[in-house]
Amino acid sequence: GNSVTQMEGPVTLSEEAFLTINCTYTATGYPSLFWYVQYPGEGLQLLLKATKADDKGSNKGFEATYRKETTSFHLEKGSVQVSDSAVYFCALKDNNNDMRFGAGTRLTVKP
Amino acid sequence: KAGVTQTPRYLIKTRGQQVTLSCSPISGHRSVSWYQQTPGQGLQFLFEYFSETQRNKGNFPGRFSGRQFSNSRSEMNVSTLELGDSALYLCASSLANGGISREQYFGPGTRLTVT
Repeated sequence: GNSVTQMEGPVTLSEEAFLTINCTYTATGYPSLFWYVQYPGEGLQLLLKATKADDKGSNKGFEATYRKETTSFHLEKGSVQVSDSAVYFCALKDNNNDMRFGAGTRLTVKP
Repeated sequence: KAGVTQTPRYLIKTRGQQVTLSCSPISGHRSVSWYQQTPGQGLQFLFEYFSETQRNKGNFPGRFSGRQFSNSRSEMNVSTLELGDSALYLCASSLANGGISREQYFGPGTRLTVT
């Protein structure tokens, strides 16, 4: 079945550091890929998405590129801020509307 | 446009009781999904409803059930509560059936504590 694997956290960075959170997936066909963010005490918010190979999703300085050859969708940001501290979830959705989430990666950014 | 709303936000129940959680999707959204989030298991899919019909179901016991009304509002019910049911229950809505690129919009969740 479909699955999403994220790098284990927690990840702790200093402000303005470069962020990468790895995400790989297993799926048949051509799923859509998503990154969601969850701030403390809140539900998940869509951060970005990509719907086909080589698409790049971007939002708020975050980027991720849909790499079919490596079945990956790594999240990157060039300079993180304290306000980026949250839990990040990678997810996929297949043609059957089946949505799968990774385990989540907790990011803490220190001033 | 109002977001996904969930009520109540916090709930404390005793083992053996039952509980009903409510979710109102974004206006115009007809698909509603439910998830259980725990520190140990992460986000686990419970079920999805579209046009008052359950389309998908996760791997949860029959104590977990749900329904959707004609206005797309959804409820989920957990009977005979167990300590392990303590979790954040998230509801998510999306625009329509199908549409692989359709993202889900999440509510703030209901924090259920079973004592």
